[in-house]
Order: sequence, then C-alpha cells, then structure tokens
Amino acid sequence: LAKTTQPISMDSYEGQEVNITCSHNNIATNDYITWYQQFPSQGPRFIIQGYKTKVTNEVASLFIPADRKSSTLSLPRVSLSDTAVYYCLVGDGSNYQLIWGAGTKLIIKP
Amino acid sequence: EPEVTQTPSHQVTQMGQEVILRCVPISNHLYFYWYRQILGQKVEFLVSFYNNEISEKSEIFDDQFSVERPDGSNFTLKIRSTKLEDSAMYFCASSNIGGGSSYEQYFGPGTRLTVT
Repeated sequence: LAKTTQPISMDSYEGQEVNITCSHNNIATNDYITWYQQFPSQGPRFIIQGYKTKVTNEVASLFIPADRKSSTLSLPRVSLSDTAVYYCLVGDGSNYQLIWGAGTKLIIKP
Repeated sequence: EPEVTQTPSHQVTQMGQEVILRCVPISNHLYFYWYRQILGQKVEFLVSFYNNEISEKSEIFDDQFSVERPDGSNFTLKIRSTKLEDSAMYFCASSNIGGGSSYEQYFGPGTRLTVT
C-alpha cells in the first residue's frame, strides 16, 4: 500500500519561501501528485498537481523528481494568510485508492 | 463561483441511530467523493462514486455506510447504526474528471457529526 510522510509542522516568516516535502512510495505510476490546503473548519482546497519535474501556477510550485518518491510544494513569499495545513494526495499503486498525507501545519509569523 | 454545499453543518445523534448526510455537488461534475476527518487528524478517503455506482471504497467504508444519488443533484452518505467512533467531520467533494488523485476536487464545508 502507498505510504506518505510529511513533517508534522513548520514555522516561517512573512516574505520567506517555504518548501514542504512529502515522501511517498508505492504510488500509482500513471497518477498525478496533488497538494491541498486546509484552513480550520473548512474543506481542503486544491493548490497544485503534477506528474513529474516542475509545475508552477499562480500560488505555488511543485517539484517532483524522476523517481516520484517525493514531491516538494514551494510557496513563494508567504504571508500570514498562508497559515494552514498542507496535504499531499496520491493514488495507491495497488488499489488506486486516494491516500492523503498526515498534513503539515504551517505557521507563518510576522 | 460554483461550490459544493453540505447539510446539515452539524448533526448530533445518539449511538445506534441512522444518519444521512447530504451534499449537493457542483452541477456539471460527474465524480463524487466522501471523506472523513476525525478532529485533529488527517483527511481519510471513504468512497468515490461515478455513473451511479461506487468506483472505489476504503476499508473504513464498511457495511454500515452507503451512498446514494437519489436525484440529479443530491449525493448522500448514510450511516446505518452510528458508533461513537463515527464522530468526525465528513466532507463531500466533486470533480468533473475522476479516476484517481489527478483531478482537482472541490470540497464542501463539511458536516460535523457528533455521536453521543
């Protein structure tokens, strides 16, 4: 079964770049790796997805090495409003179920 | 912007009772999901639904759980006989493409289920 590992928490300061890495093995070979953001008492919100190499959108970048055993979410110039929990989501390589990481609680300080 | 809605926002029930959690997915979406999140823990996949049938389900989704799309708009999760450990936030999500984690899912605000 697929297994994911993320840091439990991270702290940073406004204006800094933050990188959050998720390790994942036994993931589906033909599926994307997706990251979500969740604020307290809200449902998760899609941030970015990728298959390999680097993907960038208006809010984040996602780096995925060739072996796809990890992915790194990069948030440029964070602000206080980026304080949230960030989850990686992968498809299991054997049964294609959706496996969520445990989440990384990111706290941004002024 | 279209959004997923869920009702009720909070449901309190006694152990052994049946509950139905309701969701209205985004109208042109075809794939529907239920997730559970126990307080302070990670999101857990329960079930995905497409073309009026379950496409994937997790070990959590046992015989006590069922899902239904009774009409063209609602998507429901039924728990037949609630247990204390069913207390959690339940999220509904929908996407217009499915089949894995690939596709952006839109989540509702959740229903907090409290079993006493």
